[in-house]
Amino acid sequence: DQQVKQNSPSLSVQEGRISILNCDYTNSMFDYFLWYKKYPAEGPTFLISISSIKDKNEDGRFTVFLNKSAKHLSLHIVPSQPGDSAVYFCAGNAGNMLTFGGGTRLMVKP
Amino acid sequence: EAQVTQNPRYLITVTGKKLTVTCSQNMNHEYMSWYRQDPGLGLRQIYYSMNVEVTDKGDVPEGYKVSRKEKRNFPLILESPSPNQTSLYFCASSLYGQTNEQFFGPGTRLTVL
Repeated sequence: DQQVKQNSPSLSVQEGRISILNCDYTNSMFDYFLWYKKYPAEGPTFLISISSIKDKNEDGRFTVFLNKSAKHLSLHIVPSQPGDSAVYFCAGNAGNMLTFGGGTRLMVKP
Repeated sequence: EAQVTQNPRYLITVTGKKLTVTCSQNMNHEYMSWYRQDPGLGLRQIYYSMNVEVTDKGDVPEGYKVSRKEKRNFPLILESPSPNQTSLYFCASSLYGQTNEQFFGPGTRLTVL
């Protein structure tokens, strides 16, 4: 049973618009949630995180929202840029282990 | 340049032939980890290490071994590879207590025939 799920395998948005990537989780022991970004032929790179005691964290164009009661988090990218086209993984951190979702491929069209 | 390196980047082998994928980091990180990436399943943790001589199982350790004799190196060993271990493998490292922000290597694509 997957503890972290990203139900949208892909998302396409127009440059300049908002991208919203969603993630659901089942493990209540996660104390942090992360988003990683992955380009083809490269390893994932850390993007942004949020503590389980917060409901929002913002870093430039990237904002992560956490709804603990719904066990749902989302990543907002505003405005979206073509260079944001990549696969985005959400993950939960419990102890010293990260559990990743299946990823969402974001395509930002010029 | 701070980095995590993996070798080889690509490997095609046959069932049962022992292989080792090396991982090395130059950031003096205590924590190192191995993941495999499969379509639709994301990254799943195989093994991790909190420091030298300290290793622990992740979510999918079956069929794999690791060792941590030096801080910078964390090799992944497949004693008897099978086709279901065909996957993309990533090594990662981080400072102790900062496992949220792991630095990943470029990946090793393994095919077991």
